[in-house]
Amino acid sequence: DAMVIQNPRYQVTQFGKPVTLSCSQTLNHNVMYWYQQKSSQAPKLLFHYYDKDFNNEADTPDNFQSRRPNTSFCFLDIRSPGLGDAAMYLCATSRDRRRLAADTQYFGPGTRLTVL
Amino acid sequence: DAKTTQPNSMESNEEEPVHLPCNHSTISGTDYIHWYRQLPSQGPEYVIHGLTSNVNNRMASLAIAEDRKSSTLILHRATLRDAAVYYCILFAGNMLTFGGGTRLMVKP
Repeated sequence: DAMVIQNPRYQVTQFGKPVTLSCSQTLNHNVMYWYQQKSSQAPKLLFHYYDKDFNNEADTPDNFQSRRPNTSFCFLDIRSPGLGDAAMYLCATSRDRRRLAADTQYFGPGTRLTVL
Repeated sequence: DAKTTQPNSMESNEEEPVHLPCNHSTISGTDYIHWYRQLPSQGPEYVIHGLTSNVNNRMASLAIAEDRKSSTLILHRATLRDAAVYYCILFAGNMLTFGGGTRLMVKP
């Protein structure tokens, strides 16, 4: 089945040690998103790619960066994780931002990041 | 972004209908009303969306008030697998902004 895949499902890193989370999709969607979801909170958008066009949310810390080498893959890099970055990180896709209001986002299962 | 207001939690009995309300009094004419749900330890899942007319799909129905200031997600027969957090989101060609959501608990 076409889907959004996130690896790993669980990631443990040390305070200050760079970590990369990965997302791949078989839906051939133009738009890919990264959300952060802390415990008992709603998902919060960090940034998204429309094709190769990167769009950062205004309040996303500089510590978070992203790469999209091709349509299928997108990476979330946390340069120096702090204890406050422990969260579930969700990747999502949608077909086309131009009709986004009527479009559907497809989410992956998430990667739970623990920072020691 | 326009805001939505949902009850923090609701309870339902299994196999009974569930009506999940959402208020969005500041909705604008171009805002779509989306519903997503998030099952425990999973990513959010699309449920349904609409603009003005009521909508039905295999998962649920969406009833939209005539003035569009409120909507109701209807699960026709709740099952234990429907226990999740349900998010009502207004979407206007910008990004999805999740609010607090309603935690639905389904009792056997």
